[in-house]
Amino acid sequence: QQQVKQSPQSLIVQKGGISIINCAYENTAFDYFPWYQQFPGKGPALLIAIRPDVSEKKEGRFTISFNKSAKQFSLHIMDSQPGDSATYFCAASKDNYGQNFVFGPGTRLSVLP
Amino acid sequence: NAGVTQTPKFRVLKTGQSMTLLCAQDMNHEYMYWYRQDPGMGLRLIHYSVGEGTTAKGEVPDGYNVSRLKKQNFLLGLESAAPSQTSVYFCASRAPLGSPLHFGNGTRLTVT
Repeated sequence: QQQVKQSPQSLIVQKGGISIINCAYENTAFDYFPWYQQFPGKGPALLIAIRPDVSEKKEGRFTISFNKSAKQFSLHIMDSQPGDSATYFCAASKDNYGQNFVFGPGTRLSVLP
Repeated sequence: NAGVTQTPKFRVLKTGQSMTLLCAQDMNHEYMYWYRQDPGMGLRLIHYSVGEGTTAKGEVPDGYNVSRLKKQNFLLGLESAAPSQTSVYFCASRAPLGSPLHFGNGTRLTVT
């Protein structure tokens, strides 16, 4: 119930391509779904987040798509760049309090020049 | 503006030794958290604090203790380190009212 599944584990994309990372959850009480980006040797940083009252949120090249009925959400990175190479974590929470976050296992993205 | 600072960055301990990880934030945040990050498991919450003088257990608290004597500092202690505590530890803080988590850059701990 508390688990967040994330796929793929790793992803290699050519520069300019679209990167897609998928997450699925079970707990229907979750109402906040953030994505975090982590570079090697750094802590995670919030990239973009969505609440279940909208099906899509876009910020620059990053888009979250949310499917409430399927209990799935995904991150799309358009025009992927080598600088996007990082590990991406999805998370889910019943609110925005850090003690209630459940994180996915992470996806390591490599964008080839 | 340093944000969230963790010390030390790296540490190697022998089984049974003790140590304290320090987290300091300069953003006047009320809430602070300690997570551990292990390959393939994402981030798991160890302990957290919703204000000075308060602490609470997270998902994986066994073998760890914490203290929040000052609002800006959150200490994580290992009284008797075990190899299972080999991990990367992240501290995070946030303000109330829906603000995001701010993470430090982590402490890589190896217990041999």
